[in-house]
This record gives sequence, structure tokens and C-alpha cells, in this order.
Amino acid sequence: GAVVSQHPSRVICKSGTSVKIECRSLDFQATTMFWYRQFPKQSLMLMATSNEGSKATYEQGVEKDKFLINHASLTLSTLTVTSAHPEDSSFYICSARTRANDNSPLHFGNGTRLTVT
Amino acid sequence: GDSVTQMEGPVTLSEEAFLTINCTYTATGYPSLFWYVQYPGEGLQLLLKATKADDKGSNKGFEATYRKETTSFHLEKGSVQVSDSAVYFCALYSGYSTLTFGKGTMLLVSP
Repeated sequence: GAVVSQHPSRVICKSGTSVKIECRSLDFQATTMFWYRQFPKQSLMLMATSNEGSKATYEQGVEKDKFLINHASLTLSTLTVTSAHPEDSSFYICSARTRANDNSPLHFGNGTRLTVT
Repeated sequence: GDSVTQMEGPVTLSEEAFLTINCTYTATGYPSLFWYVQYPGEGLQLLLKATKADDKGSNKGFEATYRKETTSFHLEKGSVQVSDSAVYFCALYSGYSTLTFGKGTMLLVSP
């Protein structure tokens, strides 16, 4: 089945530094990828939608200059948390689908636990 | 807008007990409904889905029936195991880019 690989699974960084998270579709081409953030004991909140070759669409309240998303190819999207602060500590999950507006289930990565000290 | 409401957890059960996790939704049109499971330290996995009214999704002993009249998609399992301990998310897709998730319900099963 379709596999989405997310890397790294855990990262600890110092406040003020930047962290890049990669999301790869291993055996299919992902025209659309989504980035979610999961707060403790809360649901997944959609941060942004990225389509290959175009700018990401950010949800209201998500700072696009802080959470940089690049979807340069059909198999790779990256999320860069710039100038990270402790409040950015969270669980970030990416997901992918093969076609836009498709009714098929999304394929999820295993998530990245970011801790900012 | 679309929304999903799940029962708050944690739900604590003994092994072999019957499980129900309630899920109701609000959506425009006729959404598809999903249950995802998140095991400790892992990402999400699709557990089951239903795409139209009266459909029953099932997998690994779990079942959920798409009830349009009550806008519900309750998750059930006849006999839970310790390995079922996880967080369960109800979600819907109404054709607008991505899924709308509920807040998740933690299930804790003790031996």
C-alpha cells in the first residue's frame, strides 16, 4: 500500500534555531500534501495544504513566514519551523493523496515530535 | 462548516469488554466518514471508512455504521484487547481538500 515516510521522528532544538521536517511519498506520486499539528490531548489541526509546484495554502492563524512549506516534487514536501520557540513544541504530521479533491483516504506519515528548549 | 464531535476520554475498559466510541458530525452534502487510530508514538492509520448512508465499515473486529438520520458514525468492537489501547479519531471528508477530525478519544484497555 501507499507509504508516507516522515523524517525525523524526533528532534530537539534550541530556541531560535530552525528545523526542517521532510515528508516523502515512497511508492506513489503525491500531488497534494497536508501538514497538521497535534497539541497534547487535542485533535489534529490542519496547518497548510501544499500542491506540487505551487505555493502552499495556509489555514487562518498559521504564520506562513514561520512555517515554511516547500513541495518541490511529487514525492517530497518539507516543513521548516523557523526561529523555533518552546511554544512550537508539538507533534507534526504530514499526509498525502494522489489527486486533489479525491475522496480516497489520506496516507499519513508517522509524525515528528519537535521539542524546543 | 464541517465539524466532528467525539466522546471525551479516556475510555477505560477491561480486556474482552464491549467498546463504543460515539461520533457525530455536521457537514454539508454527503460526506465520507472515517475512523483513524493512533498508537502510542506513531502516526495515524486508517481503521475503517464508509462512503454513503447505511454503509458499514469494518476492520480488525471494529465496526461503524454511517447513520445519516442521526448524523452518527459510532465505533464499536465486541471484545477489546490490550493491544487496542490507542487514540481513535473520527473524521469526515466532504470534498473540500482534506479531512475534518474530531478531538480523539483515548482508549485504555487493561488485562
